Amino acid sequence: EIVLTQSPATLSLSPGERATLSCRASQSVSSYLAWFQQKPGQAPRLLVYTTSFRATGIPTRFSGSGSGTDFTLTISSLDPEDFAVYYCQQRSSWPLTFGGGTKVEIK
Amino acid sequence: EVQLVESGGGLVQPGGSLRLSCVASGFTFSSYNMNWVRQAPGRGLEWVSHISSSSTAIHSADSVKGRFTISRDNAKNSLFLQMDSLRDEDTAVYYCASGSPIPFEHWGQGTLVTVSS
Repeated sequence: EIVLTQSPATLSLSPGERATLSCRASQSVSSYLAWFQQKPGQAPRLLVYTTSFRATGIPTRFSGSGSGTDFTLTISSLDPEDFAVYYCQQRSSWPLTFGGGTKVEIK
Repeated sequence: EVQLVESGGGLVQPGGSLRLSCVASGFTFSSYNMNWVRQAPGRGLEWVSHISSSSTAIHSADSVKGRFTISRDNAKNSLFLQMDSLRDEDTAVYYCASGSPIPFEHWGQGTLVTVSS
């Protein structure tokens, strides 16, 4: 099973600041890495798939990068609606796995 | 508009069974792979099971193998999760999510399963 480790666990930032979230895989997942956003009481929302492709309707301030075992989700300028929990997920091999999440909170 | 609506959750005793359903609309369900994902209270996301569009390929997490069975009825645009031998640790919100062409692009609102005596 591929283990995904997200860091940091919590990121405290102010609106307008840049957020950099990391996801490290225990073995290569090639480019099959996705990012999700989840707000309290809501279902997860797909932000980025296959490392760097933004899902439909996702603002351009969200961008994904990386390959192999190291991946990054960057939010260029935090909007108040961006404070949430973010998960990475790999679909390179079964079982599919999610990272433990990074909470982006208001500083 | 794509919609996924789960139902069937509720309170069940340990060792009991429950069948979850997910009804899809707004897209060609029969062409999509589908998944179940769960989230225990206050915890992260856990993938549970996957089924291909024609039911020819099925994959499940080790934590549910032999106890949970995923299935679908393309004629009724429906996805199912039969959950047997339920344990306390199966308590979670269960989401159905699309599997293709963009994996996990669409999600339902979730249905809560509580396993408790």
